[in-house]
Amino acid sequence: SAVISQKPSRDICQRGTSLTIQCQVDSQVTMMFWYRQQPGQSLTLIATANQGSEATYESGFVIDKFPISRPNLTFSTLTVSNMSPEDSSIYLCSAERDRGLGYTFGSGTRLTVV
Amino acid sequence: TQLLEQSPQFLSIQEGENLTVYCNSSSVFSSLQWYRQEPGEGPVLLVTVVTGGEVKKLKRLTFQFGDARKDSSLHITAAQPGDTGLYLCAGAPLTSSNTGKLIFGQGTTLQVKP
Repeated sequence: SAVISQKPSRDICQRGTSLTIQCQVDSQVTMMFWYRQQPGQSLTLIATANQGSEATYESGFVIDKFPISRPNLTFSTLTVSNMSPEDSSIYLCSAERDRGLGYTFGSGTRLTVV
Repeated sequence: TQLLEQSPQFLSIQEGENLTVYCNSSSVFSSLQWYRQEPGEGPVLLVTVVTGGEVKKLKRLTFQFGDARKDSSLHITAAQPGDTGLYLCAGAPLTSSNTGKLIFGQGTTLQVKP
């Protein structure tokens, strides 16, 4: 199954700035997913990152705020743009292990916007 | 909107007690997964169930998938402090199985006191 390295693990950012989160997978995967999670709560899907095409965003999330790159089958980035304190959260990337057998997650990026 | 209702949301028990966590939906899932997450880490897959009525055991954890593939349960026997964490159920909706998207339950925070 895939192993995902996510960085940074945490950051404190000034409002109005942007942060790019990186996820590297140790094997090729077709789809990667970006989630947001408040501590101790469930996960909310932001978007699906497909290699060679634009990311597919869920309701409430837009490309201008959360641009995503997927340059190849092992790497993806999520940028949180023009940050405000409301963007403070944990951001997670994931990839499917084997079809229908579950997903592997990165260790998360804990973002605090001040 | 497809929902996965997970209960209870919080559970605090003594070491040695048994517990059950439930996930229910009106939607049919092609598979249902259970994850456990510890602070500062991403969710880790415990099990995937795919067949209606399926029962899987992982040491003291027993997972069951409902006959109609709309619900699932996680039962822990003789809980230990090491079981403490956030438990998440996640379903792959039958109607969107080719998107790779998961629907997550609200999560159950389990605390096992020594």
